[in-house]
Amino acid sequence: EVQVVESGGGLVQPGGSLRLSCAASGFTFSAYSMNWVRRAPGKGLEWISYISPSSTTIYYADSVKGRFTISRDDAKNSLYLQMSSLRDEDTAIYYCAREDYDRIGSFDYWGQGSLVTVSS
Amino acid sequence: ETVLTQSPATLSLSPGERATLSCRASQGVNGHLHWYQQKAGQAPRLLIYDASNRASGIPARFRGSGSGTDFTLTISSLEPEDSAAYYCQLRSNWPPSWTFGQGTKVEIK
Repeated sequence: EVQVVESGGGLVQPGGSLRLSCAASGFTFSAYSMNWVRRAPGKGLEWISYISPSSTTIYYADSVKGRFTISRDDAKNSLYLQMSSLRDEDTAIYYCAREDYDRIGSFDYWGQGSLVTVSS
Repeated sequence: ETVLTQSPATLSLSPGERATLSCRASQGVNGHLHWYQQKAGQAPRLLIYDASNRASGIPARFRGSGSGTDFTLTISSLEPEDSAAYYCQLRSNWPPSWTFGQGTKVEIK
C-alpha cells in the first residue's frame, strides 16, 4: 500500500526555521517526482515545490523561492522541506504529494498533512 | 503562467441533484487538466486526470469533460459524502509550475 506521512510541523515565530519530513512507503520512491503543496486557513491549495528523481530538477513557487529548500534521501525513502525566514502567511497545512508517473502533472497520492503555524 | 478560474465559488444542492463545476484556463491547455476532491480535515484526493479519466476507485457519478480552455466536473447525482471542496489543476511547462484553481465548495443541503 502506497503511503506518504508528513512530520515536523509546529509553532514557530516569524523569521524562524522549520524542517518538514515526508516518509514514503509502498512504492519505489527513487523513481518518482515529489512535491510539496500547502493550504492556508480559508484558502485553496497552493503548489510550492517540486523535485525530480535523483534531485536533478528542482522548482519553487515564487512565494517561497529563496526561503524554502526541497531535498530527498532516496536511501531513506524520505522527502524534506527546509523552511527559513518564515512569515505569517506561511501558516498552512503542508502536504507531501507524489506526482503520477504516467499522468503528467497529477498528484496521485497525498499525505495527511503537517500543520505549520507562524506566530509570535 | 496559466491561471485557472473556477466557478461558482460555492454550490448548495440537495442529495440526488446534479452538480456542474466549471474550470476556465487563461490559455489553451494541452489536456493535462486534473480534478481533486478535498473533504474537511482530509488530504486531497485525485478524482479525474487528463480532463476526463476517472482515477482508481472513483465512482461513476463523477465525470470530467472539456478541452482547450473550458473544463467541467459533473457529479450526476449528489450523495451526502460529496460535500467537499473541488479543485482543478494543471502543470505548466514555462514557467515550470503546478497551478490550482481557487476551488468550488459543494454543500449538501
